Amino acid sequence: SQQGEEDPQALSIQEGENATMNCSYKTSINNLQWYRQNSGRGLVHLILIRSNEREKHSGRLRVTLDTSKKSSSLLITASRAADTASYFCATGGNTPLVFGKGTRLSVIA
Amino acid sequence: DTAVSQTPKYLVTQMGNDKSIKCEQNLGHDTMYWYKQDSKKFLKIMFSYNNKELIINETVPNRFSPKSPDKAHLNLHINSLELGDSAVYFCASSQRTGEYIQYFGAGTRLSVL
Repeated sequence: SQQGEEDPQALSIQEGENATMNCSYKTSINNLQWYRQNSGRGLVHLILIRSNEREKHSGRLRVTLDTSKKSSSLLITASRAADTASYFCATGGNTPLVFGKGTRLSVIA
Repeated sequence: DTAVSQTPKYLVTQMGNDKSIKCEQNLGHDTMYWYKQDSKKFLKIMFSYNNKELIINETVPNRFSPKSPDKAHLNLHINSLELGDSAVYFCASSQRTGEYIQYFGAGTRLSVL
């Protein structure tokens, strides 16, 4: 069964606003990763957070991980039109990554 | 240099035909994957190879047959194409098997008419 579930399925915001996406998963993990997929393209890795980390930053991205709740969030600050894409979480354990269904983010200029 | 390249980008064919999609990675990775992404964007793993050896074979019809001539290449051959095979197929690679970061190709959009 699918491991990660992103929430919301779709999100529409104005340029400059922050976007928050959530991911819930079911079993224990070694790490959790977030990927972006632009329309008509392959997935691109954004950030990886290990199971013993609680927060990680990369540029305008902030990821949190709560292993007790089996959940993660991705925050994109000061969003831009170019951030319009689908965002997927993927959980990594002893098996290859399992991807969620994604959150479709639309940033309106 | 494209890290993971797959060809063709688009494939339009009739039901019942046989087609192949090729994938190559120049990252020196040991593990390669094939994924199918349906119209709802759900990404489902189909196969995974590690150093030319098949390690994951999800519930995929026998009409789909992967082939890995070396660890830099993983091709996907599909026999007797059906309408339900229409999707975007992605190749990916990672340094090793497991929770490693995956690098994706641009995808092959297959349309079966």
